[in-house]
Amino acid sequence: AQSVAQPEDQVNVAEGNPLTVKCTYSVSGNPYLFWYVQYPNRGLQFLLKYITGDNLVKGSYGFEAEFNKSQTSFHLKKPSALVSDSALYFCAVRCSISGGYNKLIFGAGTRLAVHP
Amino acid sequence: ETGVTQTPRHLVMGMTNKKSLKCEQHLGHNAMYWYKQSAKKPLELMFVYSLEERVENNSVPSRFSPECPNSSHLFLHLHTLQPEDSALYLCASSQALTGHNQPQHFGDGTRLSIL
Repeated sequence: AQSVAQPEDQVNVAEGNPLTVKCTYSVSGNPYLFWYVQYPNRGLQFLLKYITGDNLVKGSYGFEAEFNKSQTSFHLKKPSALVSDSALYFCAVRCSISGGYNKLIFGAGTRLAVHP
Repeated sequence: ETGVTQTPRHLVMGMTNKKSLKCEQHLGHNAMYWYKQSAKKPLELMFVYSLEERVENNSVPSRFSPECPNSSHLFLHLHTLQPEDSALYLCASSQALTGHNQPQHFGDGTRLSIL
């Protein structure tokens, strides 16, 4: 069965430092992976996705993610964190297609806190 | 602006009330989703409509009743709710059939509080 794990409930980082939010997955077949961000009192916003191709995927707001097939990981990264990056981050994997729609399995989320 | 609008943004209701949550998408999508987001729990997929047909119902209690009158609108009718139903209810949409690799687009949710 497909699953996603985000091993850290919270990540703390100083502004200007690089950040990493971890995600590991388990799928049958090729993985289709997504990262979303949720700011307070808002819905989830799409950041980036990996479908195929280059292992380093670039997304919105300067974020990128590295796909590692051997480690079944898809960690979210940013070279220099901003206080405004503080939010809840979700990793998701596409479940097997059924009914013609894009079913996603979400991780439990990781709260990122960037301190000035 | 995400292209997915949910109303109301906040709702407080008693356990005996009947209310409805509304979701409207302006993205031309034809699959729509209801999720429940509770504190310290993973996002729970409740219902999925694809091409206006309900294709998934994840053991959701019957006090939640979805309705999808067309591909742009999705409702969640609520009645006789319990305190544990207090949560953020999120609507999302995507392109069915041809959009398997595309992300879902989310609304900002309805914060529901059951008294």
